[in-house]
Amino acid sequence: QVQLQQWGAGLLKPSETLSLTCDVYGESFSGYSWSWIRQSPGKGLEWIGEINHTGSTDYNPSLKSRVTMSLDTSRKQFSLKLRSVTGADTAMYYCSRGGYHWGQGTLVTVSS
Amino acid sequence: QSALTQPASVSGSPGQSITISCTGTSSDVGGYNYVSWYQQHPPKAPKLLIYDVSNRPSGVSDRFSGSKSGNTASLTISGLQAEDEADYYCISYTTINTWVFGGGTKLTVL
Repeated sequence: QVQLQQWGAGLLKPSETLSLTCDVYGESFSGYSWSWIRQSPGKGLEWIGEINHTGSTDYNPSLKSRVTMSLDTSRKQFSLKLRSVTGADTAMYYCSRGGYHWGQGTLVTVSS
Repeated sequence: QSALTQPASVSGSPGQSITISCTGTSSDVGGYNYVSWYQQHPPKAPKLLIYDVSNRPSGVSDRFSGSKSGNTASLTISGLQAEDEADYYCISYTTINTWVFGGGTKLTVL
């Protein structure tokens, strides 16, 4: 059974870089696409982007200029970096595989 | 890319059926059979209910069903139960190889 365990800093200052990592347990890492999704407080879900097992990425056009996703197959983990954060990036961030398996979520707050 | 359009809220009584719509364009919902639906009981993570328009993952109740006509996808919940009270989101693949969510629908069980 697949389990996703995510981790990273939860409090950032404006202009800093958000960095989150998701560890994958229980199944092969290869052959799948891995996603990041966020949810601002009291708001809806927003797709940030995804990376497949070859390292090919697709990003939300509204975030593309600030986002980088990467993966480390040997460690079975994938990561999200979001540069130059502002208060608008305050949200619960989730990692996911196929929308079926989800991480526990990380609340990231951007505040000076 | 613009968010898919969902009603902000729907309601129904126990035992009734309700349908939540998700309207996009030919560049997303209408162009692909890659529409999924999620249920979210805040503050929990979303749960996948339907994928590829009408398929249910193992373990999801058959009270949940999905369909699509043109640029609009729909989620129907039959035999409404109190536990169905939650937020529901659709998501669709798009022509620019991205995914876009709907704005979400709050279901109230009266």
